[in-house]
Amino acid sequence: DAGITQSPRHKVTETGTPVTLRCHQTENHRYMYWYRQDPGHGLRLIHYSYGVKDTDKGEVSDGYSVSRSKTEDFLLTLESATSSQTSVYFCAISERSVWTGYGYTFGSGTRLTVV
Amino acid sequence: SQQGEEDPQALSIQEGENATMNCSYKTSINNLQWYRQNSGRGLVHLILIRSNEREKHSGRLRVTLDTSKKSSSLLITASRAADTASYFCATDARHFTLGSSNTGKLIFGQGTTLQVKP
Repeated sequence: DAGITQSPRHKVTETGTPVTLRCHQTENHRYMYWYRQDPGHGLRLIHYSYGVKDTDKGEVSDGYSVSRSKTEDFLLTLESATSSQTSVYFCAISERSVWTGYGYTFGSGTRLTVV
Repeated sequence: SQQGEEDPQALSIQEGENATMNCSYKTSINNLQWYRQNSGRGLVHLILIRSNEREKHSGRLRVTLDTSKKSSSLLITASRAADTASYFCATDARHFTLGSSNTGKLIFGQGTTLQVKP
């Protein structure tokens, strides 16, 4: 997807190891979001950022941390991966708050398997 | 809990037919958005309707919003095989929490999977 890149695209990791997923944007958008997508649950918000070093929790934040040290990068860290964190992770960006009528641009996703 | 719930969960139609998907939500909103997701890809923004609008069109898409019933529908007319995808509604539910950014975040439903047969 133009302007937003997620890495890696696929990863297999062992239970108990830390994992970091990266979201990189070239759009200079203020807002960035991490979602996970699981069958039967749709997309659920993990964490989001409303500016450099400004982050907040979503509905499923336990076991995850984030950092945003510069506008273009939003990192999601699984502190100690568990099998329940096997999922597809999507990053999204938005120029302005969704309340003002802006939509999201999504990355292509990272498929994470915890074994 | 999910803010939006789509209905039906799955829909299969023939090319040329119309497809209608419904979304219900729970709290007051500023706007409601619809997204499409092709298999193995990220979501793509389709259309946004504001809470003071009742209907909106974009090409073959028609979205309606009934705030009194807290529901929306997405109609795809003259469907094509390329419309095969999952469709999600998303709402900007507010969370007035002390210390929160209060920026508004999109809450997604579980989606409707549409199959259009050639």
